Amino acid sequence: EIVLTQSPGTLSLSPGDRGTLSCRASQSVSSTSFAWYQHKPGQAPRLLIYGASNRATGIPDRFSGSGSGTDFTLTISRLEPEDFAVYYCQQYVRSPWTFGQGTKVEIK
Amino acid sequence: EVQLVETGGGLIQPGGSLRLSCAASGFTVNRNYMNWVRQAPGKGLEWVSVIYSDGSTDYAESVKGRFTISRDNSKNAVYLQMNTLRAEDTAVYYCARGLWSGSYFYVDSWGQGTLVTVSS
Repeated sequence: EIVLTQSPGTLSLSPGDRGTLSCRASQSVSSTSFAWYQHKPGQAPRLLIYGASNRATGIPDRFSGSGSGTDFTLTISRLEPEDFAVYYCQQYVRSPWTFGQGTKVEIK
Repeated sequence: EVQLVETGGGLIQPGGSLRLSCAASGFTVNRNYMNWVRQAPGKGLEWVSVIYSDGSTDYAESVKGRFTISRDNSKNAVYLQMNTLRAEDTAVYYCARGLWSGSYFYVDSWGQGTLVTVSS
């Protein structure tokens, strides 16, 4: 099983700040099968980034993804009030399709 | 517009069975990889199962042998039969669509979820 470890567990930031979220895989992951999701309480998860660096339809350009191999990063360039949520990375390279444990971005 | 609507959740005693349904619209389920993902209270997302476009299936170790995913092409729906339920199966269960786009694979659409509570 490919284990995804996200850091930090919680990120306390203010609106307008830059947020950098990390996801490290226990073994190399193909970028074509790596994604980031945003999840708010009571809502369905929302696809942000696919293929490690491609924004999904309708996602603002303040969200960007990068990385390859075992290290991936989600950057939110300037936090808006609606961006405070939990963010998950996920790999689809090999079953089981694992998620990271999540990074909560909270208002400082 | 792609839409996924889950039903069938509820309160069930340990050892009991429940079947979740996912009604899809705006696309054809048998041309995509349909998934179930769950979130236990206070926990993160956990992938549960997938049914591939060729009809083959796969499961997380935690549910293998107890859960069965299936689909009904005529109803454009996906199901999750859950047997021998345990307290640790308590979660919101989401139905989600996985698709290939060019050389990329990702899960792009999710339902709102249905709550399963396993308790005596």
